[in-house]
Amino acid sequence: NAGVTQTPKFQVLKTGQSMTLQCAQDMNHNSMYWYRQDPGMGLRLIYYSASEGTTDKGEVPNGYNVSRLNKREFSLRLESAAPSQTSVYFCASSEIPAGVVNEQFFGPGTRLTVL
Amino acid sequence: AQKVTQAQTEISVVEKEDVTLDCVYETRDTTYYLFWYKQPPSGELVFLIRRNSFDEQNEISGRYSWNFQKSTSSFNFTITASQVVDSAVYFCALSEAGGGADGLTFGKGTHLIIQP
Repeated sequence: NAGVTQTPKFQVLKTGQSMTLQCAQDMNHNSMYWYRQDPGMGLRLIYYSASEGTTDKGEVPNGYNVSRLNKREFSLRLESAAPSQTSVYFCASSEIPAGVVNEQFFGPGTRLTVL
Repeated sequence: AQKVTQAQTEISVVEKEDVTLDCVYETRDTTYYLFWYKQPPSGELVFLIRRNSFDEQNEISGRYSWNFQKSTSSFNFTITASQVVDSAVYFCALSEAGGGADGLTFGKGTHLIIQP
């Protein structure tokens, strides 16, 4: 039982390059999330997927796209990377029955640097 | 809109001291959930506790305890007899039940340093 896995762990991009961050969970959770963590800013929600087939914007969605490929996988794409997207990216998953909010389980993070 | 404030950016104490991390939240919902997560130097996020707005009982887990007070919109975290292994960044987070799967709103975190 691996929990939430993310690839890659580290990535360096040049401005304008594109890349996709992969996330998978094996806990059969319905909901998945992408956050970014910047120094002194805590974690901020980029996009989330409440269930397979749905995605919604979070607090800081500009410059990103997501795909909920199936129940297990939720990818984050940077189409044209900018230095402001240098950050640590965390994927998370949770089981959210109606009216209840359970804890989220986080992946190990991807440290992205955009030059 | 929901908001979480952790006013203490960094706290440094000597091992075995007690330390309290403050968390103040804002929400318009009557039903909401509060969380604490720990982020050790290795970088992963570790879930510590979840509390819903209808359960104001304080919780104790070993050296950790949490004080939830709706009257002051606070959910403070106390570590008793701190140890070096408690050194980490601690995040308080909030989710409104009406939002369901909308994600967590995090505070900016408190960096706790336990000196030997």
